[in-house]
Amino acid sequence: GQQLNQSPQSMFIQEGEDVSMNCTSSSIFNTWLWYKQDPGEGPVLLIALYKAGELTSNGRLTAQFGITRKDSFLNISASIPSDVGIYFCAGQLRGSSNTGKLIFGQGTTLQVKP
Amino acid sequence: DAGVIQSPRHEVTEMGQEVTLRCKPISGHDYLFWYRQTMMRGLELLIYFNNNVPIDDSGMPEDRFSAKMPNASFSTLKIQPSEPRDSAVYFCASTLNTEAFFGQGTRLTVV
Repeated sequence: GQQLNQSPQSMFIQEGEDVSMNCTSSSIFNTWLWYKQDPGEGPVLLIALYKAGELTSNGRLTAQFGITRKDSFLNISASIPSDVGIYFCAGQLRGSSNTGKLIFGQGTTLQVKP
Repeated sequence: DAGVIQSPRHEVTEMGQEVTLRCKPISGHDYLFWYRQTMMRGLELLIYFNNNVPIDDSGMPEDRFSAKMPNASFSTLKIQPSEPRDSAVYFCASTLNTEAFFGQGTRLTVV
C-alpha cells in the first residue's frame, strides 16, 4: 500500500539549533501537509503545500514540496523548548481512486534541551 | 466553529464488549477520516468518507470494526467485540478540500 517514510524517527537537540526532517514516498502526492502533535492532543496543522517546488514559511518553520511530488521537508530554525512534540508529514494522494485520501508518516519526535 | 468534536475522550471497557466512538466534524467539511494511533504503528487510516459515503475502508483491521456516517454532522466507529489489541487513541478528522483538522481523540483501553 501507499507509505510515507519519515526521518529521522527522533531528534534530541540543544535550544537554538536548527532542525530538519523529511518525508519520501514512491507515490505521487497532490498536497503535502505538516502537523505537530502535543501529548494528549490531536495533530495540529502547521503548513500546507499545494504545488511542486513550493516553499512556504510559517514563523520559524519552513517547508517545501519536492519537485518530483514524492517528497517534502520541514525545517525549524532557532528551536525553543515549546517546539517539543511529534511532527508528522501527511500527503494527499494523486489519482482518481485515491481522491481525498490522506496518509501520514511515522512521525519525528523532537526533544529540545534548554 | 468548535472544531472536530469526539466523544468520549476516554473509554475503558472489558474484552468482548461493544464500543462506539463518536465524531462531529466541522460544519461544511466534506471529508471525514478515522485514524488509529499506537506507538508501534503510528497514525493508521482506518476509513474515510466523502459527502457521507465511505470511499476507502481498506484500513479497517477486521470485520469487528465498522463505521457509519448517517449525515454530514455525525459519524461513528464501532468495535464489536472489542479486544485488548484494539487499545489505542482513535482520531477523527475532517477536511474541506485538503487541510485536515483533528479532534482531540478517544483513548480506548480494552482490558
